[in-house]
Amino acid sequence: DVKVTQSSRYLVKRTGEKVFLECVQDMDHENMFWYRQDPGLGLRLIYFSYDVKMKEKGDIPEGYSVSREKKERFSLILESASTNQTSMYLCASSAQENTIYFGEGSWLTVV
Amino acid sequence: DQQVKQNSPSLSVQEGRISILNCDYTNSMFDYFLWYKKYPAEGPTFLISISSIKDKNEDGRFTVFLNKSAKHLSLHIVPSQPGDSAVYFCAARSGANSKLTFGKGITLSVRP
Repeated sequence: DVKVTQSSRYLVKRTGEKVFLECVQDMDHENMFWYRQDPGLGLRLIYFSYDVKMKEKGDIPEGYSVSREKKERFSLILESASTNQTSMYLCASSAQENTIYFGEGSWLTVV
Repeated sequence: DQQVKQNSPSLSVQEGRISILNCDYTNSMFDYFLWYKKYPAEGPTFLISISSIKDKNEDGRFTVFLNKSAKHLSLHIVPSQPGDSAVYFCAARSGANSKLTFGKGITLSVRP
């Protein structure tokens, strides 16, 4: 079974803090993604990566950056957290095939 | 510009009946479509997919129909079960290795 692990399930951070969300997949997938899910807005793509050290902006990259130093690990970084970044963050991975697999999600609250 | 649309935010059906979840898209370059199911506080799980070269794909109680001329697909669940109650996302992509575009989701409630 594909395993996508998000290390932090629930976080509470203060406005202005730097936040790291970590994601690891164990299937040697080339592609990794970060989405956020908000009520009424569905899943929106923040950033994705097709290979180590490569990254592409998604639909809502503002306020975020990413890092992919190793194939299995994809990190989402909030340089200076703001309250409008309170959300559920979902990491996903895929191989060359069509299906992407999601992690359990990380609930971030910025106060 | 919303390329994948799930116009109904919610659907309620009786246990044992059919659930039909609809999805429309605008990008004619989409060639692969997927449905994901999501429970609260969990990540989405893959349910079923269909390539644009097909018009139907079936997996147990789940069937996805694709009408390319209408740019419409639907997910049928027969018979519906209370455990099917969840949010269902339709997704589409154009070309291998391209990103998925998701709809906003529809909340299905199956009444016992």
